[in-house]
Amino acid sequence: DTAVSQTPKYLVTQMGNDKSIKCEQNLGHDTMYWYKQDSKKFLKIMFSYNNKELIINETVPNRFSPKSPDKAHLNLHINSLELGDSAVYFCASSQTDTIYFGEGSWLTVV
Amino acid sequence: TQLLEQSPQFLSIQEGENLTVYCNSSSVFSSLQWYRQEPGEGPVLLVTVVTGGEVKKLKRLTFQFGDARKDSSLHITAAQPGDTGLYLCAGAESGYSTLTFGKGTMLLVSP
Repeated sequence: DTAVSQTPKYLVTQMGNDKSIKCEQNLGHDTMYWYKQDSKKFLKIMFSYNNKELIINETVPNRFSPKSPDKAHLNLHINSLELGDSAVYFCASSQTDTIYFGEGSWLTVV
Repeated sequence: TQLLEQSPQFLSIQEGENLTVYCNSSSVFSSLQWYRQEPGEGPVLLVTVVTGGEVKKLKRLTFQFGDARKDSSLHITAAQPGDTGLYLCAGAESGYSTLTFGKGTMLLVSP
């Protein structure tokens, strides 16, 4: 059983398009995250939600909009995609200090 | 914002060799974690250390937290090709719920 699942795993899209990545966790955790991993493998937090409430919003363009319909889901919507948005996006969840990551969504903007 | 520096950035060794990777910061952490990320997968937690000077062993992997809780090391004995991956350290400062990740050490173990 997958603890943190995100879809799609691969996404290739053109500049200017709008796309969404969905994430679900079945661990019963209160906190969920979106991380971005760039081409140099640097993992950086984008957003953190606790019980559907936004608690961390790092310096991320407002083209990125997270939505949490319930504490088991945290989706990421990206408007007007740019070349620099190409990266791997990881959803994650936690209850304490341990973070459980999804398998990642490879986004390529062409 | 705490910064975690990992070294080396890349390490290519032969099967059976020993290696150590380092994670250093000028900040004090309440806990520090090591993750391994295999190609095409998300990071997976290996260990959490919380006490200064603490040493934890996971089979051939030995993790140490510095006395001042500012640094950590990961030592692998007799590396195997299955150890290949990106090793990430991440620190949590008390009062924060977010981990700060280092940039990782990419390890390649050749048969």
